[in-house]
Amino acid sequence: GQNIDQPTEMTATEGAIVQINCTYQTSGFNGLFWYQQHAGEAPTFLSYNVLDGLEEKGRFSSFLSRSKGYSYLLLKELQMKDSASYLCAVRDRDYKLSFGAGTTVTVRA
Amino acid sequence: GAGVSQSPSNKVTEKGKDVELRCDPISGHTALYWYRQSLGQGLEFLIYFQGNSAPDKSGLPSDRFSAERTGGSVSTLTIQRTQQEDSAVYLCASSLDLGGAYNEQFFGPGTRLTVL
Repeated sequence: GQNIDQPTEMTATEGAIVQINCTYQTSGFNGLFWYQQHAGEAPTFLSYNVLDGLEEKGRFSSFLSRSKGYSYLLLKELQMKDSASYLCAVRDRDYKLSFGAGTTVTVRA
Repeated sequence: GAGVSQSPSNKVTEKGKDVELRCDPISGHTALYWYRQSLGQGLEFLIYFQGNSAPDKSGLPSDRFSAERTGGSVSTLTIQRTQQEDSAVYLCASSLDLGGAYNEQFFGPGTRLTVL
């Protein structure tokens, strides 16, 4: 099974940078995903990591260290619309995706 | 279709009744997943299908829950004798295939189930 931990809440100022950490324990690792979920809406895909290192995608970057069971999502040049919940999810070798409880990011002007 | 669709969007039912939730995945996606999200909680994996087959049903909360998929497309999640603790948003997702890189899951808008 999976055990996924991420902070519950984070607050940052518009234009700033925020880093959301995710640690996991898994019985079989087969990729890590980050999703964004606005209140009352379905999650939308942000990033995918399966090898160690940094994946950059515009203002969003995601990092993975498999040996440490650790990932982070970096949000740069924060905008008000980035206020949302960010979900870390780990896929196992049976293709099941286990989600963390999510980190609610609030961007303030 | 353009995206994953689910129906109904909202369902209010009385305790003890059966409900049926429907998911229509993106055309061509062979993998389909069901999740449950309770208020303020993370997503709880329920079951996935590869084609019409569900290899692992261990995520279903109880034997009151069942799911099927026919024709490799539409899936139905059925909850029998609903209980108040079944109240949640039920999300369906589909992906092109199960594994592989960037096999992201596309989520539907969800069905909000309220059991009175």
